[in-house]
Amino acid sequence: DIQVTQSPSSLSASVGDRVTISCRTSQSVDNYLNWYQQIPGKAPTVLIYAASTLQSGVPSRFSGSGSGTDFTLTISSLQPEDFGTYYCHQSYTDWSFGQGTKVEIK
Amino acid sequence: QITLRESGPTLVKPTQTLTLTCTFSGFSLTTTGVGVGWIRQPPGKALEWLANIYWDDDQRYKPSLSSRLTITKDTSQNQVVLTMRDVDLVDTATYYCAHRSPYDVGFFDSWGQGVLVTVSS
Repeated sequence: DIQVTQSPSSLSASVGDRVTISCRTSQSVDNYLNWYQQIPGKAPTVLIYAASTLQSGVPSRFSGSGSGTDFTLTISSLQPEDFGTYYCHQSYTDWSFGQGTKVEIK
Repeated sequence: QITLRESGPTLVKPTQTLTLTCTFSGFSLTTTGVGVGWIRQPPGKALEWLANIYWDDDQRYKPSLSSRLTITKDTSQNQVVLTMRDVDLVDTATYYCAHRSPYDVGFFDSWGQGVLVTVSS
């Protein structure tokens, strides 16, 4: 199995802050890496697919980068509605998710 | 508009077989590239991918659970069924079904609301 490791596991930031979340896979997944946001009590929604492509309707403050084994999700200016847990997801083979990064607003 | 809805028992006993149904609309599982997946989330824990089924009936399973899982589709009913055999307390989770995008890089672009399944004697 491909292991997917996110860091940090949680963070607290202020509105307007730049936030970065890292995701590392145990072997190369090329660009088969996606990012989701999950609000408590709700199903996840996709933010970024193919490492850096913004899903339609997602605000442009979200961006993704990376390829191979190291990836980053960036929120350029954190907004109150951005709280929740963020998951990276590899779809290269035997799909798997990271353990999540919980984002709290200070 | 794509919608998916999970249905099934909310309580099952250990060693029983769990059968969950995903009923969807807004797409066809006969369209090239399309798939449906199942993902679960134990209370307070991370998402765990379980299985996918594709338009061509290709089935993929999480390796560590493959001996217990079966995923099937009924294109005439627009349904996908996940069967999990010999359930245990650790299988307590919210189970989601989701639409797999037809892009080369697969991802889930629409999700159901999820169904909480509790395994308890």
